[in-house]
Order: sequence, then structure tokens, then C-alpha cells
Amino acid sequence: GQQLNQSPQSMFIQEGEDVSMNCTSSSIFNTWLWYKQDPGEGPVLLIALYKAGELTSNGRLTAQFGITRKDSFLNISASIPSDVGIYFCAGQPGNTPLVFGKGTRLSVIA
Amino acid sequence: AAGVIQSPRHLIKEKRETATLKCYPIPRHDTVYWYQQGPGQDPQFLISFYEKMQSDKGSIPDRFSAQQFSDYHSELNMSSLELGDSALYFCASSLGKNTGELFFGEGSRLTVL
Repeated sequence: GQQLNQSPQSMFIQEGEDVSMNCTSSSIFNTWLWYKQDPGEGPVLLIALYKAGELTSNGRLTAQFGITRKDSFLNISASIPSDVGIYFCAGQPGNTPLVFGKGTRLSVIA
Repeated sequence: AAGVIQSPRHLIKEKRETATLKCYPIPRHDTVYWYQQGPGQDPQFLISFYEKMQSDKGSIPDRFSAQQFSDYHSELNMSSLELGDSALYFCASSLGKNTGELFFGEGSRLTVL
């Protein structure tokens, strides 16, 4: 099946720092989404991207749909302790269910 | 706003037993998806239903079956449970098939002993 390569696998950052994570695919995707998951909870949708080159913000979060349609990144500015969690990229290569990346585990040190 | 409701939240079963998980989608959402997430893993797509018909099939074992009912709720039936079936099972719903914006429930944690 489709594979999404998400990096980094984990990050330890100081409160107030900016964070960047990305996702790549070997094939073209029509949709890119970013989810956050807290322990024992379901993934929560953060940002959805539908057009190549699209740059979308949601508060301190900014995500972009790569021009090649094979990648996406998520930036978090001025991190705070509640940003801790696992961030998953997810994509759709066509009219198919979402496939997920392996996740980036974010730890914020106060 | 109403979210996706899953029950039970926790379930403990013995090997070879059966289990049934229920999912109530967000009102007016017509598509339901089931995902399985093992410890430290990403969610893996199992199966989906659109307007009460099976839509897409992923890595769902033959021992598992699912359906969507007339009120749009869905049930995942798991038989001959194995230790490896221990996982978080998430249901998600969307308005429209494979529209991308899935809204997930809080999950059902299945432990097989």
C-alpha cells in the first residue's frame, strides 16, 4: 500500500521554540492532512490541505501542501506544554481512505 | 457539537472469544471508517462504509466483519480473537466518501489475554 515517510520520529524542544516536521510520499497525493493524537485518545484534525502549494494556518500551526504534491510540512511556532503529543500526517492518493505517516512524537520541556 | 461516539471504551477478552465494537458517527455524516492502532503504531485502515454499503476494504482480517445500519451507526465484529488483536480501534466519520476530513472517536481499547 501507500507509504508516507514522516520525520522526525521524535523531538524534544524547549518551550517557546518553533517546531517543524514533514511528510513525503513516493506518489502524488490529492489531499494532505495533519492530525494530533494525545495518549489514549483519537486523532484530532489540525489542518487539511487540498491544493498543491496551499499554505494554511490554524493559530500557531502552519502547514503547506508541496508543489510536487508528494510532500507536506507542519510548523508549530512558539511551542507550549500542551503541544505535547503525536503528530500524524495523512494523505489521500485518490478517492481512497486516508493513509497515515508513522507519526512525530513531540515533547516540550518547560 | 456532537462527536463520534464509540463503545465500549475498554474491553478485555480471552483468546478465541468474540467482541463487538460500536460506533455512532457525527449526525448527518454518511461515511464511517474503522482503523486499528497498535502500541506505538500509526492507525491502519480496516474498512469503511458509505450510505450503509461497504466502500473500501483495507487490512481487515477475515475473522473480522463490519456493517453500517440504517441509522448510520456501525459495528465491528471480531471473532476468534488473537493476542495480536490487542489494539486501539478507532471509528471515524465524514460527510461524503473519502473527503479527507475524518473526525475520530476516542477509540475502543481491546485487550486480548
